[in-house]
Amino acid sequence: DGGITQSPKYLFRKEGQNVTLSCEQNLNHDAMYWYRQDPGQGLRLIYYSQIVNDFQKGDIAEGYSVSREKKESFPLTVTSAQKNPTAFYLCASSPGSGSYNSPLHFGNGTRLTVT
Amino acid sequence: SQKIEQNSEALNIQEGKTATLTCNYTNYSPAYLQWYRQDPGRGPVFLLLIRENEKEKRKERLKVTFDTTLKQSLFHITASQPADSATYLCALAIGGYQKVTFGIGTKLQVIP
Repeated sequence: DGGITQSPKYLFRKEGQNVTLSCEQNLNHDAMYWYRQDPGQGLRLIYYSQIVNDFQKGDIAEGYSVSREKKESFPLTVTSAQKNPTAFYLCASSPGSGSYNSPLHFGNGTRLTVT
Repeated sequence: SQKIEQNSEALNIQEGKTATLTCNYTNYSPAYLQWYRQDPGRGPVFLLLIRENEKEKRKERLKVTFDTTLKQSLFHITASQPADSATYLCALAIGGYQKVTFGIGTKLQVIP
């Protein structure tokens, strides 16, 4: 089955530590995205990538970093500079350029708790 | 920047009735609007997409309308069932697909 795999489902870290969230897709999609979801707020875009070795900041990129070395993988690092890192993180993909209007395919998220 | 408002955070209806969820947006008219379903602890799942030049789109018991004059989309679930209970998200993008903006969502509870 094609899809997006996010791991782990739950992640706990101490304040001041960097942590990397994994996102892998086997849909052969060009574009990948990271969103953050907090109670009472809509999904907010952190970073997106339209193609390998290229990515752009979303609306709330501060304190986060990404890489896109392979088409299938788009890991997100939550750095110690992120002031409120505890949240539900969602990775998504879409076919990309040339597939205008394509919906997003989401993974099942990673719930990060920083104490 | 684009702002999306979904009519209420929670909506309770009786099984068998039609649920109607509202999505209003400000500023620019989006090229298309999407609706997703999200269950607790899971990622959103795409349901329907409607383009700016379409008035209505249907899929089984689901119907979406798009009124660019009112800057509003309505999402209907007919003959609702308890299994339809979930949070429904409205999302839109202007021009390209890259930056899709989501509303907070409406939590629908269908009561048996």
